[in-house]
Amino acid sequence: QVQLQESGPGLVKPSETLSLTCTVSGDSISSDYWNWIRQPPGKGLEWIGYIYYSGTTNYNPSLKSRVIISVDTSKKQFSLKLTSVTAADTAVYYCARWALHSGGYYYFDPWGQGTQVTVSP
Amino acid sequence: EIVLTQSPGTLSLSPGERATLSCRASQSISRSFLVWYQQKPGQSPRLLIYGASNRATGIPDRFSGSGSGTDFTLTISSLEPEDFAVYYCQQYSTSPWTFGQGTKVEIK
Repeated sequence: QVQLQESGPGLVKPSETLSLTCTVSGDSISSDYWNWIRQPPGKGLEWIGYIYYSGTTNYNPSLKSRVIISVDTSKKQFSLKLTSVTAADTAVYYCARWALHSGGYYYFDPWGQGTQVTVSP
Repeated sequence: EIVLTQSPGTLSLSPGERATLSCRASQSISRSFLVWYQQKPGQSPRLLIYGASNRATGIPDRFSGSGSGTDFTLTISSLEPEDFAVYYCQQYSTSPWTFGQGTKVEIK
């Protein structure tokens, strides 16, 4: 079964770039849509964006000017870069697969365990 | 952007009671594009219901989803101790995909 694991620095300074990687195991990355979702402390979920294995991306307009999602199919990894971070970007960051299932349904499954990123001097 | 508003914010119930959670969309969405997730403290969200009413693999039948248009409901027929958690609805009718703010089901 597919498993996802986030990795990256847990602390980023204000104005710098947040960089995270999600490693996919148990299945090919060369299909489906690969997403980043975040959750500020004590708050709800915010979809950041996805990359299709071919490289097509779709970002949340609220973050679009600061986000780049890329994929390395040879390493079975996809990555998130968020530039010019502020304290408001402090959150748990999840990666998740978005795939077409029987009946024509899509949903986020599975999710990674999440990684806490704190923006602080 | 489609805004999903969940109510109530917190539901205080006892084990064995019925829980009814609401998710209202700011514009009509196809029921196919409405998903429910459960999240327990310190854990990732877990898929519960897709296509508004289809239980995911391994989800007990005490969980059911219904609704259409702008109003959707998640019902837990008889709460078990492991059901106390936060529940989120999510839509993918229109990008950006959005989540509701969550309903916390807590032990009374």
